[in-house]
Amino acid sequence: DVKVTQSSRYLVKRTGEKVFLECVQDMDHENMFWYRQDPGLGLRLIYFSYDVKMKEKGDIPEGYSVSREKKERFSLILESASTNQTSMYLCASSILYEQYFGPGTRLTVT
Amino acid sequence: ILNVEQSPQSLHVQEGDSTNFTCSFPSSNFYALHWYRWETAKSPEALFVMTLNGDEKKKGRISATLNTKEGYSYLYIKGSQPEDSATYLCAFMEYGNKLVFGAGTILRVKS
Repeated sequence: DVKVTQSSRYLVKRTGEKVFLECVQDMDHENMFWYRQDPGLGLRLIYFSYDVKMKEKGDIPEGYSVSREKKERFSLILESASTNQTSMYLCASSILYEQYFGPGTRLTVT
Repeated sequence: ILNVEQSPQSLHVQEGDSTNFTCSFPSSNFYALHWYRWETAKSPEALFVMTLNGDEKKKGRISATLNTKEGYSYLYIKGSQPEDSATYLCAFMEYGNKLVFGAGTILRVKS
């Protein structure tokens, strides 16, 4: 079974803090994605990566950056957390069509 | 940004009822249409990936149809059970592996 893990299920951070969300997949997938999910809006793509050291902006990249130094790991970075970044963050990896999701990190910025 | 719409937003049904949801998506540049089930406190789980106009897929009591020319897909659940309670997401794939999700349909099945 494909396994996608995320470093934390729940996280509380203060405004202005630098926040790292880590995602690891164990199936040697080339493609990895970061989404956020907000009520009534569905999943929105923040960034994605097709290979190590490659990154592409998704639909809502502002306020975020990413890092992919190893194939299995894709990190989402909030350089200076703000309250409007309070959300559920989901990581996914894929090969061909299907995406496999992690359990999500619920981030609260106070 | 592409627009993928799902209806209804939420649905409450009794155990044993059959139900269906709709996903509308752009009819141009179609590559694939995905359905996911997302249960509370779990990861979204893929139900179907549909690529051809007229595709029909089935998994147990759940089935889906696809019309790429008019840009819609239906998801059907026959004889709903409490364990079917979840958010059902559809996602449009335009090219490569990038998905655009709808807002989801929340299903609650009462026993």
